[in-house]
Amino acid sequence: DQQVKQNSPSLSVQEGRISILNCDYTNSMFDYFLWYKKYPAEGPTFLISISSIKDKNEDGRFTVFLNKSAKHLSLHIVPSQPGDSAVYFCAASPFSGGGADGLTFGKGTHLIIQP
Amino acid sequence: EAGVAQSPRYKIIEKRQSVAFWCNPISGHATLYWYQQILGQGPKLLIQFQNNGVVDDSQLPKDRFSAERLKGVDSTLKIQPAKLEDSAVYLCASSTGVGTQYFGPGTRLTVL
Repeated sequence: DQQVKQNSPSLSVQEGRISILNCDYTNSMFDYFLWYKKYPAEGPTFLISISSIKDKNEDGRFTVFLNKSAKHLSLHIVPSQPGDSAVYFCAASPFSGGGADGLTFGKGTHLIIQP
Repeated sequence: EAGVAQSPRYKIIEKRQSVAFWCNPISGHATLYWYQQILGQGPKLLIQFQNNGVVDDSQLPKDRFSAERLKGVDSTLKIQPAKLEDSAVYLCASSTGVGTQYFGPGTRLTVL
């Protein structure tokens, strides 16, 4: 049973336009959400996160939106650049407070930025 | 600041052999995680340590996988004996205990 779902295995976007990556989750205990970017032969690199008490978090070109009632989050990248081409993973964890907070990941979306 | 270090980067073994992976977390990070990433999937948590104690090992196949973090710093993950389905990338991550986990480059294991 997949608790975090990324339904688009791949997404192609023109350079300079907005990229929107989507993620859905089913576990109501998830309290903290993260996006990671992964290049081939490297480990995932942290991109941006959001706590369930917020509905939006922005960092430069990256914005994450959280809709708790729909159990949905999205990552917006604007403007998209060639270096953004990578696999993007959505991940979620329950509130830790020093306890078990291992991440549950989606299967990833391969973002391709076309010149 | 140095990131999470892992070795080896690649390992090829035959089924039924044993293998060990090493991880050194970011300095000062009390929490350490091991994940398994099978091709085409997202990483899956195997075990979480807080200092030298196990917080969560519910998804660790304990009949063949073991992990330790004896001094609360670096950690070793072992597979004994390996099966074909253990072919994957093994990722180590660390955190301060609250919030973001930072990942190492991973060890790619191929079991023949």
